[in-house]
Amino acid sequence: DSGVTQTPKHLITATGQRVTLRCSPRSGDLSVYWYQQSLDQGLQFLIQYYNGEERAKGNILERFSAQQFPDLHSELNLSSLELGDSALYFCASSTPGVNYGYTFGSGTRLTVV
Amino acid sequence: SQQGEEDPQALSIQEGENATMNCSYKTSINNLQWYRQNSGRGLVHLILIRSNEREKHSGRLRVTLDTSKKSSSLLITASRAADTASYFCATAVQGAQKLVFGQGTRLTINP
Repeated sequence: DSGVTQTPKHLITATGQRVTLRCSPRSGDLSVYWYQQSLDQGLQFLIQYYNGEERAKGNILERFSAQQFPDLHSELNLSSLELGDSALYFCASSTPGVNYGYTFGSGTRLTVV
Repeated sequence: SQQGEEDPQALSIQEGENATMNCSYKTSINNLQWYRQNSGRGLVHLILIRSNEREKHSGRLRVTLDTSKKSSSLLITASRAADTASYFCATAVQGAQKLVFGQGTRLTINP
């Protein structure tokens, strides 16, 4: 157990639907990062939150949104889902500062059918 | 585009041999990190080397960093079957708030 909790572990949904992925960071970590991992695109950075505020944005589609709540857990919302959104979605957290590694959750495997 | 590019994409060796993976990157960095991922699982942080460091050790792992060549290598000595996994380098780009990952090297250790 890495200390970063992601739910659900697996999700199967139909095209056009909306889903919410949840992440609880490791105790004491203020930063949460979302990554998408697919076979053809590798690990793509989506978005970062720090203590409730958005800090960095990557290749996140307009159909996707995220937020971090006062208790520091984060949610990634994916809407109008397409077949190409099928991927592993990882959340990671880190200690403040530039020279610390990330702690990853075990991921949510999303399958869009 | 990816910041880090790993080489080789796949590596298969016998148990007990050493495994070397290389990573090249494009821009100035604060640090470079290596992660391991077992099939379909989350990534595990292995080691971090800062931009002002040249070499770092952790158990059977040795990482080198050459900022003039913008490259790094990860050496796993005395490999074990349990080392079978994908290995990713990730760069903390200066001025950015994120880690940028390479495409990874798939390492297979044959018993």
